[in-house]
Amino acid sequence: SQQGEEDPQALSIQEGENATMNCSYKTSINNLQWYRQNSGRGLVHLILIRSNEREKHSGRLRVTLDTSKKSSSLLITASRAADTASYFCATDAYGNKLVFGAGTILRVKS
Amino acid sequence: AAGVIQSPRHLIKEKRETATLKCYPIPRHDTVYWYQQGPGQDPQFLISFYEKMQSDKGSIPDRFSAQQFSDYHSELNMSSLELGDSALYFCASSLLGRDRTYGYTFGSGTRLTVV
Repeated sequence: SQQGEEDPQALSIQEGENATMNCSYKTSINNLQWYRQNSGRGLVHLILIRSNEREKHSGRLRVTLDTSKKSSSLLITASRAADTASYFCATDAYGNKLVFGAGTILRVKS
Repeated sequence: AAGVIQSPRHLIKEKRETATLKCYPIPRHDTVYWYQQGPGQDPQFLISFYEKMQSDKGSIPDRFSAQQFSDYHSELNMSSLELGDSALYFCASSLLGRDRTYGYTFGSGTRLTVV
């Protein structure tokens, strides 16, 4: 990965459970974004958190950001089978480009 | 709402051939980015354009070139194709915001297969 690691690489849970994915990055950032990708399909923007924010919510998603540790986490609550996808964090260092992490493959079993 | 349009959706080429991928950004977006995603890999940044000028360059091979035209659409030209160029190629566009916090919108990608 160009930016850092995501943890875990793969996660398998039962429908209704919560899923937590972690992301670490290496450089100073303007914001951090999370994307979802269904198998072989396009990247869908989920949520953006700015470097001066520590937590953000959007529906069943909760994102935290710790700039001192250069890490972020994505929590999906009450997971559904339709949440099965790959999840990527991506950092935006002041507008030049998005740099993606390695991704977490989430499988939600019904 | 209009999204980022990429064409073609799928492309099959033979080794050493040339391919051209097209990207039509969201209207009024001023920045276009190209990414390459190999099988099981994360998207890798190739190149970006701001207001039709190259703004940043990543791990783009010398065999590849890109440009952004006066109507803001962009093309990625790939020559002397190799088997390893088989990947999903994404284009994204964004609008530089005053506070420099902005979202990116990705197209559905072009799947290039080199045989």
